[in-house]
Parts: sequence; structure tokens; C-alpha cells
Amino acid sequence: GAGVSQSPRYKVAKRGQDVALRCDPISGHVSLFWYQQALGQGPEFLTYFQNEAQLDKSGLPSDRFFAERPEGSVSTLKIQRTQQEDSAVYLCASSFLAGLTDTQYFGPGTRLTVL
Amino acid sequence: AQSVTQPDIHITVSEGASLELRCNYSYGATPYLFWYVQSPGQGLQLLLKYFSGDTLVQGIKGFEAEFKRSQSSFNLRKPSVHWSDAAEYFCAVGATDSWGKFQFGAGTQVVVTP
Repeated sequence: GAGVSQSPRYKVAKRGQDVALRCDPISGHVSLFWYQQALGQGPEFLTYFQNEAQLDKSGLPSDRFFAERPEGSVSTLKIQRTQQEDSAVYLCASSFLAGLTDTQYFGPGTRLTVL
Repeated sequence: AQSVTQPDIHITVSEGASLELRCNYSYGATPYLFWYVQSPGQGLQLLLKYFSGDTLVQGIKGFEAEFKRSQSSFNLRKPSVHWSDAAEYFCAVGATDSWGKFQFGAGTQVVVTP
């Protein structure tokens, strides 16, 4: 595809369930970012990959959050034992290179609702 | 650490009128500055960015922004809004030595009335 895609677009989970959110970046893009956007807020950085290497996970809220990008393309964000405060839109972005001068392209997001 | 403030949570503007969205940043050096737009169900789309040089930056969809170092501001403007400009707008700042990590503001919701 031409852009960043994310699946599922919507996910409803019961508190305590595990969820997995998928991001397909633009083909050939080196950098991949995950952001969390709570209702009425701006996106908050979660983690960054350069190819398959996770170079920064400083934004992950707790050890229940885990991200991977094993082959340097598709990435999965996993949330274990979901809590109500995890309800948010999870955004994925990719860029061709590393660094802020390279445009980041965002996917449409996955809206997670934890009941 | 950098931070971004968007003082206006919500702005209502008439179609055809001018629009200005405020953004103030905090950063120790000259930052990289961005404006993104988010329409319902759409991903964030880059409107424009400032790295260095001319402080008046032109972007897509007729938007422009001006970097004012003395005021730590990067306000977004459009001379004449269209109904399709109704969306949420985010200002973002990035550290110049980073690999691409943004700090976003809380956003400004723009409503366009006929």
C-alpha cells in the first residue's frame, strides 16, 4: 500500500485481556514510531525502532507494554492485562530515514477501548 | 526537555475568515518545529515544518507558519479558511539531535461555520 496501515482499526477488550496491535509501515522505511493518544490529548511517544532494533522505549507506560519489529518491517505493540487507563488511540508512524528532517507518515490508528 | 503549549483548545471561525493557531515551545536550542492536522478517521498529516533559515514557512493547503525565537512561538495561519479545514491541529517540537522523537501539544480543535 501507499501509506502506513494499522490493524485492527477498533479493538474492544475486557479488563485483563491481552491485545496485539499491528502496524505495517511504508515499504523500505527504516524508522518506526508508536504513539499513544488519549482522548482530547496530543500523541505521546511510546517507542522507536530503527530497522529491527528498538532504540528507545522510554515512553512505554509500564512493563505490560511490549513492542517488537523482528524483521525490520511490520511491528506489533502488545499490551498485557489491559487496564481501563490503556483506552486510547495507538498511532504508528514511519519515516524513510532516521532523524527529524525526514517526514514521518502516520497511520490512521487503532482505537482501543478497555471495558 | 522540550515542551509545547497550544493555548487554545477550541476555535470557531467563519468560512472565508482568517485563522491563526498559537503554539509556544520550550527548548534550550533552536528546535525543529512542525504542524500536523488530524481529520476524523485520518492519520496525522504534516502541514509544514521549520528547521532553519527563513522564519516564514509555507506549507500545504494554503497554510503558513512563522517562527519567532524571541517569543518562543510558531503560530499557524491561513488567510481564508474552507469548510474542509475543520479538524484538529497539533504543533510538535523535536530535539535537533534526536532520531525523530516528537513532543506534541494538546491540539486545537477548529470548527468552521458557514
